[in-house]
Amino acid sequence: GQQVMQIPQYQHVQEGEDFTTYCNSSTTLSNIQWYKQRPGGHPVFLIQLVKSGEVKKQKRLTFQFGEAKKNSSLHITATQTTDVGTYFCAETSYDKVIFGPGTSLSVIP
Amino acid sequence: SQTIHQWPATLVQPVGSPLSLECTVEGTSNPNLYWYRQAAGRGLQLLFYSVGIGQISSEVPQNLSASRPQDRQFILSSKKLLLSDSGFYLCAWSSGRGPYGYTFGSGTRLTVV
Repeated sequence: GQQVMQIPQYQHVQEGEDFTTYCNSSTTLSNIQWYKQRPGGHPVFLIQLVKSGEVKKQKRLTFQFGEAKKNSSLHITATQTTDVGTYFCAETSYDKVIFGPGTSLSVIP
Repeated sequence: SQTIHQWPATLVQPVGSPLSLECTVEGTSNPNLYWYRQAAGRGLQLLFYSVGIGQISSEVPQNLSASRPQDRQFILSSKKLLLSDSGFYLCAWSSGRGPYGYTFGSGTRLTVV
């Protein structure tokens, strides 16, 4: 079945630095979803991208879907300690969502 | 508004004992329901999903089973737990329509000893 890969697996940044996680697929995706999971918590849906080349922003977060719909990125500008957690991209396939392995973000105050 | 309830929050069970985790959704009808497992520091593995009462799709053959006796109730079970069943179990629901993603319950942290 389809699989999405994410890089990097871990990222440590100084507070105020930017952060980007990348999601890649070998096949064309119908859409891509992004989730955030705080340490000890459950995943929380952030956004869904559907259109080729789509860019969406949520405050300091910028989500992008590649032109070929095979990759996506999440960029955080000027990270804060509240951004700590694991960010998952996920592909939808019929009635189910398959999650990537996630990128774990640590922010050093 | 819709809410999802999952219990218990934590559970310690001996090897060979049975398991029953329950998940219920309120405020919606005919939701798609899902069970995921997350090992420590790892990603989310889809175990089962259901698009209607009595309809269960299994993604990974293993020591677990799922049932959906009512529209908004999803149960994860095992007859005999293994050490490898330890993990963070998450229930989720979606409407199956629209760009709203999945809503997860708060999870059950299961330790098999």
